Amino acid sequence: QSVLTQPPSVSGAPGQRITISCTGSSSNIGATYDVHWYQQLPGTAPKVLIFGNTHRPSGVPDRFSGSKSGTSASLAITGLQAEDEADYYCQSYDSSLSAYVFGTGTKVTVL
Amino acid sequence: QITLKESGLTLVKPTQTLTLTCTFSGFSLSPSGVGVGWIRQPPGKALEWLALIYWDDDKRFSPSLKSRLTITKDTSKNQVVLTMTNMDPVDTATYYCARHSIATADWYFDVWGRGTLVTVSS
Repeated sequence: QSVLTQPPSVSGAPGQRITISCTGSSSNIGATYDVHWYQQLPGTAPKVLIFGNTHRPSGVPDRFSGSKSGTSASLAITGLQAEDEADYYCQSYDSSLSAYVFGTGTKVTVL
Repeated sequence: QITLKESGLTLVKPTQTLTLTCTFSGFSLSPSGVGVGWIRQPPGKALEWLALIYWDDDKRFSPSLKSRLTITKDTSKNQVVLTMTNMDPVDTATYYCARHSIATADWYFDVWGRGTLVTVSS
């Protein structure tokens, strides 16, 4: 059972803005450890989308943005496109577990 | 270009030991300030971190699996090997290796292999 909780699914129409939450605790996100986000397209390996809470690797569209506050973090996708249909995972470090932890995952559906 | 590729037996029997090799190119583990980790994903389920090894041979393990895992590196071959003992059907998953890098304040998995599906069945 993951210590980072995400909504199982989020959906939106093309062009809309959606957000995915990642809720942690004082031993991970709240302990100032960075949050990273990964996108997993169907049948493929995960790919880093956001690192260090807010940074986009080169090649990632600026439609994707990350934020962090307190014990939670969020991934926002603006101008939703059909190609954004994928599973999204947050990831951080937990000092109580001494472990790198992933979120429960969120499936994004474009209506 | 940085690439990683997982290899190993894809079908193991319960109680057997799994050995997976990650062969990478485009970077070195010595000396470089990076690491290589293993992450798995059971069918239809979330990602789970397993183990990490760094350029200085520092090793980290998932607390829940630590007793079953070993991780080693062969710098000359650009390979990292993960072994997991006493395999069980619940260990059926796609196993990924990924480079572990630091760009801001914390480490993250910046490049992933394609993964290899390991099935545990008698």
